[in-house]
This record gives sequence, structure tokens and C-alpha cells, in this order.
Amino acid sequence: SQQGEEDPQALSIQEGENATMNCSYKTSINNLQWYRQNSGRGLVHLILIRSNEREKHSGRLRVTLDTSKKSSSLLITASRAADTASYFCATVRAGGATNKLIFGTGTLLAVQP
Amino acid sequence: NAGVTQTPKFQVLKTGQSMTLQCAQDMNHEYMSWYRQDPGMGLRLIHYSVGAGITDQGEVPNGYNVSRSTTEDFPLRLLSAAPSQTSVYFCASTDGAKQFFGPGTRLTVL
Repeated sequence: SQQGEEDPQALSIQEGENATMNCSYKTSINNLQWYRQNSGRGLVHLILIRSNEREKHSGRLRVTLDTSKKSSSLLITASRAADTASYFCATVRAGGATNKLIFGTGTLLAVQP
Repeated sequence: NAGVTQTPKFQVLKTGQSMTLQCAQDMNHEYMSWYRQDPGMGLRLIHYSVGAGITDQGEVPNGYNVSRSTTEDFPLRLLSAAPSQTSVYFCASTDGAKQFFGPGTRLTVL
């Protein structure tokens, strides 16, 4: 399978705590993206980081990318109950079509109020 | 803008039946894709298109056909449904960076 892997598979934290999710992938990439999926809904794009970038911020989200280790992490700071969802990383292969995404298996985040 | 729309929301088929899942977007995106989502597997790419008249296979294309006659529409056809095609199907379009997903079609094949 081409799929990447995410770790942990499930994470439960208290409101106000930080949540960190990790993603590993297999090939050289053009960019890596993170998506959120609420139960029973479609995916929503959170943030994109290009292969020549090492860190990116968007609001309470911080993404890092280590291309030498083929890994990325997503940090959600000061979590809220509304952050409860599944989080997926997805990569665009270097030289590949821009819409040919390879998704990881996801991390299920539960934020307890 | 409605974004990406998918119909139907739910469908039950018998083995061997055929059907078409509809997908439309009103954002004038050139790129569109179909994914399936199975428990514990994340999303897997079925077929994708980089413009009207151009389609290509993704990771799991067997048993599915697509066409792209217009920029707006990207239907997915199941030729002869099998229980292994029971899944949730998502259509997406992209502006070249982030993807916009439809709400999904939950398909059960008996």
C-alpha cells in the first residue's frame, strides 16, 4: 500500500491541553497537507506545507516537516471540545499530479470538556 | 457557492447492479478526484482528472469508471457492484493546493 501512517491511532486529552499527531510517508513529496474530518462528514483542509518548508503556523495549528525522516507533525494548542475529530495527513508525490493525494490512516482525537 | 455536491447520500445495491455516483463543483476547478474511505484504511484514491476530457487511475481503480465531459461534473460509475465496494465515497476538487471535499455517499452492496 502507498498509504502513510499516523501515530497515535487515537488520542484523548482534556480541554486546554495540547495535542500532537505524527505522520510518516514513503516517497519524496511536493507538499504535505493536513485535513480534519468530523464524524460522518467530508474532510476539511487545515494547512499545507511545501517540501522546502520546515514549519508553518495557522491559528492554533503548528505543522512541522522533516523530509530527511519523511515525517510531519501537527500540533493543536489549547485544544477545545470542538477539535474532536479525525485528523489525516496527505502527501502529493514529487512530480505527481497536484490532486493525486496519498492519505495516512488518521488519528482520532477526543477532547474531553 | 455550493462547493462540491454529491448525490445520492445513501445507496443500497445488490451484487451485480450498476450505478453512477454524481459529483459536481461550482468553483471552476480543473482538478477533481474520487476517493473511498474504509474503516482503518484512511482515504484511497480511485480515479482523478486534471481537466475536462482527461482522467487517470489512482490507487484502487478496479471496478470503477469515470469520465469528465465538463469542468463541473465528474461522475463515478460502478460497473457491476460487489460487496467489497461497500464504502463511503468522497469526491473532491482542488484549486491546485487544498482540496475541497463533498459530503460523501455511503454505499452498501449486499
